[in-house]
Amino acid sequence: DTAVSQTPKYLVTQMGNDKSIKCEQNLGHDTMYWYKQDSKKFLKIMFSYNNKELIINETVPNRFSPKSPDKAHLNLHINSLELGDSAVYFCASLRNGGTGELFFGEGSRLTVL
Amino acid sequence: DAKTTQPPSMDCAEGRAANLPCNHSTISGNEYVYWYRQIHSQGPQYIIHGLKNNETNEMASLIITEDRKSSTLILPHATLRDTAVYYCIVRGNGNTGKLIFGQGTTLQVKP
Repeated sequence: DTAVSQTPKYLVTQMGNDKSIKCEQNLGHDTMYWYKQDSKKFLKIMFSYNNKELIINETVPNRFSPKSPDKAHLNLHINSLELGDSAVYFCASLRNGGTGELFFGEGSRLTVL
Repeated sequence: DAKTTQPPSMDCAEGRAANLPCNHSTISGNEYVYWYRQIHSQGPQYIIHGLKNNETNEMASLIITEDRKSSTLILPHATLRDTAVYYCIVRGNGNTGKLIFGQGTTLQVKP
C-alpha cells in the first residue's frame, strides 16, 4: 500500500489555467507538506499543515492555495498557471512526536506550456 | 535552521564503502542531523538521523564529530542502486521544524 500518494503524477496544461494536485497519506500522520523541485533540482518547502491548520507558508504566491479537508489529505490548487510553475511537486507527511522522518510521495510533474 | 555544506559530487566503486561528508558548523544544541537521498526523479527517502551519538541502521551509519560541527554518512557496501543525490539536513525537533534541502551530493556508484 502506498503510504503517501499523489495524483496526478503528470499534468500538462496551458498558461492561465487553474489546476489541482491531490495528496493523501494513510500513515495516520498529523503534519503534511508540499515541496517544489524546479528544473535545477532544488527542493523548496512551500506549505505545511498540522491537523488541518496551516503552520508553514514560505512566501509562496497567492495563486497557490493549499487545502486540507482532513489530516490525511493536503491538496494544492494553483490559479492562473505561469511557465515558472513548471516543476515537480512533492507531498510529504510527518508523525508528531516521532523520529522526525518525512515520508514523501512520488511527485507530480507539472508542465505549463 | 542551520545550513549545511556538502561536496557537489562523489564517485564510489561498487562494493566499496561510500563516505559522504557534511559540514554543519552552526548547528545548535537541539538540532538533529538528518540524511535523505533522492534516486532519480523519485521522492526523497529518509536514511538515518542522529543528535550526537553515532547511529547505524540497515541502510547506513552516521558518524557525528564530538563538536557536532560535521558528520559522515557511510554506505558500507555501495551498489549501483545507491546512485542518488544525498542530502544532509539539520533540523530542530517538533512538527514545526522545517526540512530545508541544500544542493546535496550526487553520488555515482560505478561498476
